[in-house]
Amino acid sequence: DAGVIQSPRHEVTEMGQEVTLRCKPISGHNSLFWYRQTMMRGLELLIYFNNNVPIDDSGMPEDRFSAKMPNASFSTLKIQPSEPRDSAVYFCASSSHQPQHFGDGTRLSIL
Amino acid sequence: GENVEQHPSTLSVQEGDSAVIKCTYSDSASNYFPWYKQELGKRPQLIIDIRSNVGEKKDQRIAVTLNKTAKHFSLHITETQPEDSAVYFCAASIGGSTLGRLYFGRGTQLTVWP
Repeated sequence: DAGVIQSPRHEVTEMGQEVTLRCKPISGHNSLFWYRQTMMRGLELLIYFNNNVPIDDSGMPEDRFSAKMPNASFSTLKIQPSEPRDSAVYFCASSSHQPQHFGDGTRLSIL
Repeated sequence: GENVEQHPSTLSVQEGDSAVIKCTYSDSASNYFPWYKQELGKRPQLIIDIRSNVGEKKDQRIAVTLNKTAKHFSLHITETQPEDSAVYFCAASIGGSTLGRLYFGRGTQLTVWP
């Protein structure tokens, strides 16, 4: 099994630009989670889906953040426009009940 | 919702000593408690988990204990080695309608000195 696949692994862009992070969950997993990790705030849950339907997006910090899951094998997290305070590592995780399996993350730097 | 607190935030031990990390949770409906290890620059990886119908679980040098009455659970690492150095996260899941959502503690930075 290839595990949860995230792309890109690193992204550096200027503030104001649109950023799109991608995630492919483990085949057969029906829940997908997006997390943000920073030193100050730790590991924060942004949004999660079950059977491609968003269940709880209360962790999404602002309207600049949006997430979609058009099918069972793909999800995106988009930031538009990006700001320097969005710099963090973004993890995607998937599960079928428990446990959750994490991808390698996207290290995002907004200049 | 659930609130998970984790202590200590940092822990330094000598190689060969034991390390204990403790977590408390607030929702008595929580029934699944995983522990993740995150090495520097890597993803969190599950190292051990326990369900509420079990009081203790062991896997070689690591063990987890659960006290449902007190609503706390602990990770025990024996005979620590330098490669155990990492950030450890505890988590709790209510299950049911939350569909596997995990509530994480803030993490413990464990350093094992050779």
